[in-house]
Amino acid sequence: DSGVTQTPKHLITATGQRVTLRCSPRSGDLSVYWYQQSLDQGLQFLIQYYNGEERAKGNILERFSAQQFPDLHSELNLSSLELGDSALYFCASSVGVGDLSNQPQHFGDGTRLSIL
Amino acid sequence: AQTVTQSQPEMSVQEAETVTLSCTYDTSENNYYLFWYKQPPSRQMILVIRQEAYKQQNATENRFSVNFQKAAKSFSLKISDSQLGDTAMYFCAFMKVNRDDKIIFGKGTRLHILP
Repeated sequence: DSGVTQTPKHLITATGQRVTLRCSPRSGDLSVYWYQQSLDQGLQFLIQYYNGEERAKGNILERFSAQQFPDLHSELNLSSLELGDSALYFCASSVGVGDLSNQPQHFGDGTRLSIL
Repeated sequence: AQTVTQSQPEMSVQEAETVTLSCTYDTSENNYYLFWYKQPPSRQMILVIRQEAYKQQNATENRFSVNFQKAAKSFSLKISDSQLGDTAMYFCAFMKVNRDDKIIFGKGTRLHILP
């Protein structure tokens, strides 16, 4: 158990819809990362938040947005869903940023999103 | 931009054998981290081993060890005395020490341990 909690585990919806994925980081972790794992693109970094502030952005579509709340949980919002958005979405957390001497990123179990 | 290449899409070995998974990366950074993550059928992402680029000594974790060749930008994973539970997808990954801490993953190597 990594200590990172993602809900829901599975999500099935239709094209054009909007969904919200939730992540609770490990206790004490201030940094949250979102990754997308799809068959064709592999594992890709989407976005990172640190203590409520956006810190880094990757290949995140404009239809996607995220935020980190004061209690440090994070939500990834996906709108106007397309078939190609079907993927496994991971959240990871770490204590801080920069020096990683003892701060690996711990991954949640992922949310599997299926677009019909 | 950094890239991570895993040239072996799939491998199979017999239980108890030793297997080496290859990984090369491209970066102009001097300070960075390298990782191997394991993703079993349960789909969890499990950190297997990590290496700091400034350390010359190769990292080891029980049956897992790496061969880190910084000049060649090579980072292979050796699994000794392989076990059935080692069956998984293995991802090589890179992270530079900088403002953004994103991890860049290779495409993965699917490893089958045969009984």
